[in-house]
Amino acid sequence: ETGVTQTPRHLVMGMTNKKSLKCEQHLGHNAMYWYKQSAKKPLELMFVYNFKEQTENNSVPSRFSPECPNSSHLFLHLHTLQPEDSALYLCASSQGTSGGLDTQYFGPGTRLTVL
Amino acid sequence: DAKTTQPPSMDCAEGRAANLPCNHSTISGNEYVYWYRQIHSQGPQYIIHGLKNNETNEMASLIITEDRKSSTLILPHATLRDTAVYYCIVRVPINYGQNFVFGPGTRLSVLP
Repeated sequence: ETGVTQTPRHLVMGMTNKKSLKCEQHLGHNAMYWYKQSAKKPLELMFVYNFKEQTENNSVPSRFSPECPNSSHLFLHLHTLQPEDSALYLCASSQGTSGGLDTQYFGPGTRLTVL
Repeated sequence: DAKTTQPPSMDCAEGRAANLPCNHSTISGNEYVYWYRQIHSQGPQYIIHGLKNNETNEMASLIITEDRKSSTLILPHATLRDTAVYYCIVRVPINYGQNFVFGPGTRLSVLP
C-alpha cells in the first residue's frame, strides 16, 4: 500500500467509448504523473502536474486528456482509443519535482484493453 | 533515452546477496540515483535513492562509486518475493524540467 490508489483496476472498452481513469493520492504530495506501460516496454511518461498545473505533455495524442482538479486527484479521460493503446496505465505522485523531493510513489495501475 | 545502463537479466540463489549493477557515466553533480522494482503487472515500488554517500534502509543498500559513474543495489538476503524487474534511474531533462526515464531494467530471478 503506497498511498496512491487507482480505479478501475481493469477496464475493457471499445474504440468508440469514452471512459475515465481515476487516481487519488493520500500522501499530501504536490506533483502527480501518468505513465503508460505497453507489453514488454519500459514505462513511458505521459503527463506531469505540479501544484495542479500541467508541466509536461510528452507528445501524447489528444485522445488522452488529463485533468487535475486538485493536488490529490488526477484523471485521464479516454475517447476514441485504438487497440494499440491497450496497456497498463500507472499513476504516481511526489512531494515535489526537484532535488530530493521527487521520489515517486506509484499506484497499482489500471490494465486497459481496447477492443 | 535513459541515462543508465543495466544488465538485462541476473539470477540469484535464495538467501544469498543480490548485487545489481548500474552505470550512469554522464550523471551530473546534483542528480540523484534512484532504484525501483516492478513485480509482474504491479506498479513500480520505490526502493532507495542516493546522491553521493552510500545509503541503507530496511529493503536494500545502495553503493555509489566515488566518481558517481556507477552504483550497485544490494539485496542482502534475497527471497523468492524479490523476483522482479529492477530499475536504476537518473533524472533527465524533459520539456519543462527534469524527470524520471525508466529504461528496460534488470530482470532478477531469485532461484530456490
